Amino acid sequence: GQQLNQSPQSMFIQEGEDVSMNCTSSSIFNTWLWYKQDPGEGPVLLIALYKAGELTSNGRLTAQFGITRKDSFLNISASIPSDVGIYFCAGPDPRTSGTYKYIFGTGTRLKVLA
Amino acid sequence: DAGVIQSPRHEVTEMGQEVTLRCKPISGHNSLFWYRQTMMRGLELLIYFNNNVPIDDSGMPEDRFSAKMPNASFSTLKIQPSEPRDSAVYFCASSLSGGYGYTFGSGTRLTVV
Repeated sequence: GQQLNQSPQSMFIQEGEDVSMNCTSSSIFNTWLWYKQDPGEGPVLLIALYKAGELTSNGRLTAQFGITRKDSFLNISASIPSDVGIYFCAGPDPRTSGTYKYIFGTGTRLKVLA
Repeated sequence: DAGVIQSPRHEVTEMGQEVTLRCKPISGHNSLFWYRQTMMRGLELLIYFNNNVPIDDSGMPEDRFSAKMPNASFSTLKIQPSEPRDSAVYFCASSLSGGYGYTFGSGTRLTVV
């Protein structure tokens, strides 16, 4: 079935380092969303992207909508301990009409070492 | 804004018992979603309501699962009878008319022993 593959699956980084992760799809998407899930909580929307090539920032986070429309990237600059969590990409299920049904990626688990 | 409120936060039950999970969406949101999260399958959409009407229940695993939304401020997900393989975190989310991006609740961690 439709899958969004995220890379890397997990990463340990030192506080202050920059982080990059990506999400790839076998299908074209017209929207990309990035969520963060803290331990024991639900995912929280970080950034939404609506156009190929779009680059959007939210504080230290920057996300890009890939030109091929089959991928998206998330960068975190100068990581801090509270960045720990699981980062998910998501996009509307191309098999469904309308925009209500989202497919979520496999997640990138981030651990920050102080 | 109180956000999406789910109860209980944790539920431990014995196999065969009925389990009811509850959700209060954000006031004014007319779309409500139930998701299930497991290590093996990630986040899966179980059912989607729009204006209290079930629109897509194709993700409901089997007849043991049922969901209701009697009014705009309350929804339930029921499992009867529960099985160990139902153990997961169940999330409720709401949004405006489908919308771009949901607001998730904190989830209910269900353990069936």
